[in-house]
Amino acid sequence: GIQVEQSPPDLILQEGANSTLRCNFSDSVNNLQWFHQNPWGQLINLFYIPSGTKQNGRLSATTVATERYSLLYISSSQTTDSGVYFCAVGQGNTPLVFGKGTRLSVIA
Amino acid sequence: DTAVSQTPKYLVTQMGNDKSIKCEQNLGHDTMYWYKQDSKKFLKIMFSYNNKELIINETVPNRFSPKSPDKAHLNLHINSLELGDSAVYFCASNRGSAGELFFGEGSRLTVL
Repeated sequence: GIQVEQSPPDLILQEGANSTLRCNFSDSVNNLQWFHQNPWGQLINLFYIPSGTKQNGRLSATTVATERYSLLYISSSQTTDSGVYFCAVGQGNTPLVFGKGTRLSVIA
Repeated sequence: DTAVSQTPKYLVTQMGNDKSIKCEQNLGHDTMYWYKQDSKKFLKIMFSYNNKELIINETVPNRFSPKSPDKAHLNLHINSLELGDSAVYFCASNRGSAGELFFGEGSRLTVL
């Protein structure tokens, strides 16, 4: 099956800093999503982005499907951005396969 | 309005018991899923249902049985619970398997 690798596994930021999270995948996909799991365990949809670039406030994402990677940018980080960020990809009719996540801690 | 809802949110039970977790979605989606998140936060697909038919069943023990009375509901029944079943179980749904996936809030199962 498809492999999903996320980097870095852990990240500590000072409030106000910017960061880039990366997701590499091993095959072509027709679905790619970024999720934020907050400290309460909720999985929050950030982006549905099988290709192209999207922005939502301080967050933006880019997927280069031909090169099999996606990037999530967080600008001016806040303590509320802390949690685990997951990339998940899907092919054909298969369910989304998740990466192991990037654990982000934003310190005031 | 909650889009994907699961009950119960917390479940503590003894080994050997049988338990069920219910899931409902009001998004009009045609495909529903159960994912398991272990203590290391790995999210792994367990089952998916499309129009009341099981379309993928990963290597999950047959003690786990999904049941879908209609396309808005997908329940998870677990027989003879074991310590290793302790995890957070997430229900999710989308429109077609390539559509945006939405998750419920999760059900934390603890087996003692």
